[in-house]
Amino acid sequence: AQSVTQLGSHVSVSEGALVLLRCNYSSSVPPYLFWYVQYPNQGLQLLLKYTSAATLVKGINGFEAEFKKSETSFHLTKPSAHMSDAAEYFCAVSRRDYQLIWGAGTKLIIKP
Amino acid sequence: GAVVSQHPSRVICKSGTSVKIECRSLDFQATTMFWYRQFPKKSLMLMATSNEGSKATYEQGVEKDKFLINHASLTLSTLTVTSAHPEDSSFYICSARGGGSTSQETQYFGPGTRLLVL
Repeated sequence: AQSVTQLGSHVSVSEGALVLLRCNYSSSVPPYLFWYVQYPNQGLQLLLKYTSAATLVKGINGFEAEFKKSETSFHLTKPSAHMSDAAEYFCAVSRRDYQLIWGAGTKLIIKP
Repeated sequence: GAVVSQHPSRVICKSGTSVKIECRSLDFQATTMFWYRQFPKKSLMLMATSNEGSKATYEQGVEKDKFLINHASLTLSTLTVTSAHPEDSSFYICSARGGGSTSQETQYFGPGTRLLVL
C-alpha cells in the first residue's frame, strides 16, 4: 500500500533562511507526487508536482522539490523564507485511480 | 486556469436541518470530483469520489445517507449534509480533476466551506 510520511509536524525557520520540508513515500510503481500549501481557513493550492519528467521540479513562490527514487523522497525546499510562506504544507502521492494519499502535514513557522 | 469554487464559504445552521454545499469547476470539465473533510490541525480525510452521471463512491465509515453527493454535470457537484448535528461541524473541501487543458493526475481544490451546526 502506498503511504506518505512527512517528518516534523512543525518546522520553524528564520526569515531569509533555507526552508526544508521533508517527505518520504512508499509506492510500488512510479508515482505522481505533489506538494500543496494551505493557508488558514482556505483550500489547498498546488505548489508543484512530479510526474516522471525532470527530477527537479520548480513550483510557485520560489519553491522546488527533488524526486530521489533511491531515497523514496520528495523534499520541498526554498532558498530564502519569507513571512508569507507561513502555512501548512502537505505532501501527497497519487494512486492509480488518481486518489491522493496524504501526508500528515507540516506547519511552517517563520520567525522574524 | 483550473479554478474550483465552493459555495457557501461559511454556513451556520440549526441541528436537524440540511445543508447543501456546491463545488464548481469554473474553467474546465471535471471528470471526477472529490469531497474531503478536515478536522482542526489535521490532514484531509477523503469522504467520497464522484464521477459525472454516476453514483458516488464513499470511503469506509462515511454514511452515504447522511452525506448525499450529486455530480449532475461535468462542472458541478453538490454535497448535502442531511439532518446535521453538531458533530458534523467541520471544514469541507472539494477538489476536481479533469480533462481539457488540465492535467488528469492533478486535483484542483476549492476554497473550502466552514460548517457550524448549533
